[in-house]
Amino acid sequence: DQQVKQNSPSLSVQEGRISILNCDYTNSMFDYFLWYKKYPAEGPTFLISISSIKDKNEDGRFTVFLNKSAKHLSLHIVPSQPGDSAVYFCAASDVFGNEKLTFGTGTRLTIIP
Amino acid sequence: EAGVTQFPSHSVIEKGQTVTLRCDPISGHDNLYWYRRVMGKEIKFLLHFVKESKQDESGMPNNRFLAERTGGTYSTLKVQPAELEDSGVYFCASSRSYNEQFFGPGTRLTVL
Repeated sequence: DQQVKQNSPSLSVQEGRISILNCDYTNSMFDYFLWYKKYPAEGPTFLISISSIKDKNEDGRFTVFLNKSAKHLSLHIVPSQPGDSAVYFCAASDVFGNEKLTFGTGTRLTIIP
Repeated sequence: EAGVTQFPSHSVIEKGQTVTLRCDPISGHDNLYWYRRVMGKEIKFLLHFVKESKQDESGMPNNRFLAERTGGTYSTLKVQPAELEDSGVYFCASSRSYNEQFFGPGTRLTVL
């Protein structure tokens, strides 16, 4: 039973446009959400996070939105750059930052120059 | 600050053999986690150490997997005997208390 779902296995976006990656979760005990970025042959790298008390968190070109009632979050990247091409994983935990992460299956983002 | 390191980067073994994976966390990180990604699926939690103690081992698949963290520094994950379904990429991560987890590059295990 997958508690974190990323229904789009891949996404292609033109350079300079906005990339939107989506994530849904089913466990209402999750209260902390993270996005990780992964290049081939490397481990996931933390990108941005959001606590359930917020509905938006912004860091440079990256913004995460959380809709608790819909159990949905999204990652917006604008403007998209070729170096953003990677696999993006959505993850969630039920204790702030210090417990096991439950990951989605990932979305492969390709930025087209 | 050095990152999380894992050894080996790749391991190819026969079914029934034993393999030991090693993880060196970032210095000063009390929390150490093991995860596994099988066949391009989601990254799944295996277990969590706080210093040398197992805080949560609910994700360990079965008793063929044994994790240790003697002295609260590096950790090993032993698979004995290995089965075909154990193939995948094993990630280690570490964190200070209440902070993001930093991942190592992973060990790709192939069981033939």
